[in-house]
Amino acid sequence: EPEVTQTPSHQVTQMGQEVILRCVPISNHLYFYWYRQILGQKVEFLVSFYNNEISEKSEIFDDQFSVERPDGSNFTLKIRSTKLEDSAMYFCASSPPGSSNQPQHFGDGTRLSIL
Amino acid sequence: KQEVTQIPAALSVPEGENLVLNCSFTDSAIYNLQWFRQDPGKGLTSLLLIQSSQREQTSGRLNASLDKSSGRSTLYIAASQPGDSATYLCAVHSGGYQKVTFGIGTKLQVIP
Repeated sequence: EPEVTQTPSHQVTQMGQEVILRCVPISNHLYFYWYRQILGQKVEFLVSFYNNEISEKSEIFDDQFSVERPDGSNFTLKIRSTKLEDSAMYFCASSPPGSSNQPQHFGDGTRLSIL
Repeated sequence: KQEVTQIPAALSVPEGENLVLNCSFTDSAIYNLQWFRQDPGKGLTSLLLIQSSQREQTSGRLNASLDKSSGRSTLYIAASQPGDSATYLCAVHSGGYQKVTFGIGTKLQVIP
């Protein structure tokens, strides 16, 4: 069964550095998402992306965050100047074309640790 | 704003027991509801998806029900096994048509 894949599985970065988290969504999917989960807390929606633009974002997704689909297969989340509170598990998800009833398929996540 | 609550926060049962996990949501205008399993430090495994027009879905020993009008869903696990030990997350797809709102989960421990 096709999967959403995320790399790296664990990223350790110094505070203030830029970090790029990478995702390869399922190939025929058209909607892409990023979520994060701070340790011990809920999974939180960050942003959704469709037709090469952001379609919705949460209040968490401030100017430090950006997303991009640089080619036909990758979907990236960039954090420009990382803070300690950015430490979390980041999940990428994708969903197929069709109605809004389509389920989202999640990757295994990237654990981001900011030192 | 959609809020998703899960009760109980944690549950410990002996192997073989049937159990029910509860999920409630505040905005009944949903597209669908998913139950996920999350093992410690791992990703999200989708267990069941219930569309807003459906009342329940079954997969093996799992059965999920949805009562949209009352804003509730339950996940029933039959004949629990130690391998079922994990955190179970309820996630509601509503509002902005692509946004999923998660509950904090129920941490299940099945004791051999």
